[in-house]
Amino acid sequence: DTAVSQTPKYLVTQMGNDKSIKCEQNLGHDTMYWYKQDSKKFLKIMFSYNNKELIINETVPNRFSPKSPDKAHLNLHINSLELGDSAVYFCASSRKTLHEQFFGPGTRLTVL
Amino acid sequence: AQKITQTQPGMFVQEKEAVTLDCTYDTSDPSYGLFWYKQPSSGEMIFLIYQGSYDQQNATEGRYSLNFQKARKSANLVISASQLGDSAMYFCAGSYIPTFGRGTSLIVHP
Repeated sequence: DTAVSQTPKYLVTQMGNDKSIKCEQNLGHDTMYWYKQDSKKFLKIMFSYNNKELIINETVPNRFSPKSPDKAHLNLHINSLELGDSAVYFCASSRKTLHEQFFGPGTRLTVL
Repeated sequence: AQKITQTQPGMFVQEKEAVTLDCTYDTSDPSYGLFWYKQPSSGEMIFLIYQGSYDQQNATEGRYSLNFQKARKSANLVISASQLGDSAMYFCAGSYIPTFGRGTSLIVHP
């Protein structure tokens, strides 16, 4: 059983396009996160939701918009994609904030 | 805000030996947690071990243990009896507004 799943695993698209990445967790966790991992492996928090409420919104361009339809899902929509958006995006969840996180497999986004 | 520093970009260890991966943190929060995660070359992020700031004992999980020194603001990961499968990136992370260090790439030699 997959605990935290993300789709798609790979995403290749042209500059200027709009794309979405979906995330689902079946762990019954309250908190979900989006991270961006760059080519140097630096992992940076983007957003966090607790029970569908946005609790962390780091310095991220407003082209990125998270949506949490329910506690088990946290999707990431990106408008007007730029070359610098190319990275691996990880979704994660934790039972509560401040608890250990369980990560999805990542989505490798390549913007051409 | 919390800052996490990992000063070792890369480490090498012989199989079956122990290795220590360094992590220092800087926070003004009185209560905090520190985590270690492993990222093998396949890319997934795997939780290894957690240390709470008020925990009296150093955390241990199998071959992983944390050398937590609150006065020095350090939370070093010790891997005992290294195995080839331990070769991976290791990240130290803080709990508030989850903050990750830059990671240490560990290579275990046979």
